[in-house]
Amino acid sequence: EVQLVESGGGLVQPGGSLRLSCTASGFSFSSYWMHWVRQVPGKGLVWLSRIDSDGSRTMHADSVKGRFTISRDNAKNTLYLQMNSLRDEDRAVYYCTRGTGDHLDYWGQGTLVAVSS
Amino acid sequence: DIQMTQSPSSLSASVGDTVTITCRASQDINTYLAWFQQKPGKAPKSLIYAASSLQSGVPSKFSGSGSGTDFTLTISSLQPEDFATYYCQQYDNYPLTFGGGTKVELK
Repeated sequence: EVQLVESGGGLVQPGGSLRLSCTASGFSFSSYWMHWVRQVPGKGLVWLSRIDSDGSRTMHADSVKGRFTISRDNAKNTLYLQMNSLRDEDRAVYYCTRGTGDHLDYWGQGTLVAVSS
Repeated sequence: DIQMTQSPSSLSASVGDTVTITCRASQDINTYLAWFQQKPGKAPKSLIYAASSLQSGVPSKFSGSGSGTDFTLTISSLQPEDFATYYCQQYDNYPLTFGGGTKVELK
């Protein structure tokens, strides 16, 4: 069974940093592209970042480019999202998702990031 | 960026009804279109990919169609567990973009 479990969310002050993790199981993690998607509670879904299966290529949405960095450790079956210079508008639930091609076929349960002073 | 427009934004239906949700892309996306179901407090769940292919384990009451810019998701014989919010998403181009969602509510 494919499982994706996010962790690392919490309360952070504006301008602060946070690193989210996503631990994968039930599939060959190193064979799949992975993505991060976020959702402000009560609002829609927004794609943030993608990383290729070996970590050699990444892409980020303009809204987070230069502040967020996606990475992975295939030996640990873990995906990361390093978030710096956090803003009020980054408050959201963050989901890691598996990509089969660019189709997002499995999602984690999400982790909540709150930005407040 | 490709804009995805869903309609309606909400609809009311009864158990046993068949409902159709539409999704329009701002440019041709071939069939690089997926549909997701999301229940309150839960992660989105993949229903349909490549516009009309059913995700493994998803019941055949869900069906998708379309290509180019216009797409539909049809849910037949609505059951209580089908009342949720549905999103379309294009994966023809980056950034990946989602529609605004359609909330299917019990009448």
